[in-house]
Amino acid sequence: EAGVAQSPRYKIIEKRQSVAFWCNPISGHATLYWYQQILGQGPKLLIQFQNNGVVDDSQLPKDRFSAERLKGVDSTLKIQPAKLEDSAVYLCASSVTGGNQPQHFGDGTRLSIL
Amino acid sequence: AQSVSQHNHHVILSEAASLELGCNYSYGGTVNLFWYVQYPGQHLQLLLKYFSGDPLVKGIKGFEAEFIKSKFSFNLRKPSVQWSDTAEYFCAAGSSGTYKYIFGTGTRLKVLA
Repeated sequence: EAGVAQSPRYKIIEKRQSVAFWCNPISGHATLYWYQQILGQGPKLLIQFQNNGVVDDSQLPKDRFSAERLKGVDSTLKIQPAKLEDSAVYLCASSVTGGNQPQHFGDGTRLSIL
Repeated sequence: AQSVSQHNHHVILSEAASLELGCNYSYGGTVNLFWYVQYPGQHLQLLLKYFSGDPLVKGIKGFEAEFIKSKFSFNLRKPSVQWSDTAEYFCAAGSSGTYKYIFGTGTRLKVLA
């Protein structure tokens, strides 16, 4: 099966600019996750969707981060404006419905803020 | 607070050596446990998972992990590592029935040929 697709792979922007990441999950996976992985740390969940609804966004910095999954398939994550501490790899993952289902990860987008 | 701890941040082994990576979790209630691996330049991949039943679970590529409830541990083991096992290994835990997982900080394993 095709895996989770993410783009772009790399992005370099200056602080205070905006940036957007795109994710296309595995076909049929209703649950979609965005994670932030800062260098030397494990992935941290930012937001979780079930179809096109938000299940958990408790760790999403809502003053600058936003995410949507309008049609319940692909998703975008936006940062506006970016700060230096947002430099990280942004991972998208998907799974079939069910708390016991493993998550399948994309390659991630490496974001560097200058 | 819910947490996952991986105590070994960097491990260097020679080929054929045995491997054990530690993972401890802090969770209330029933917990689901996972080990993921990230090979250089690749995405995170599931190695193995534990939901219930036999506490010794076997995964891909000869890896296994043992769930010890009394110690809140889920250590990863492999009897004989290969150079191709060089990767970063992440332990993750989540409450049964929820979708939210917490990841440990990862262990970088380097296997010397």
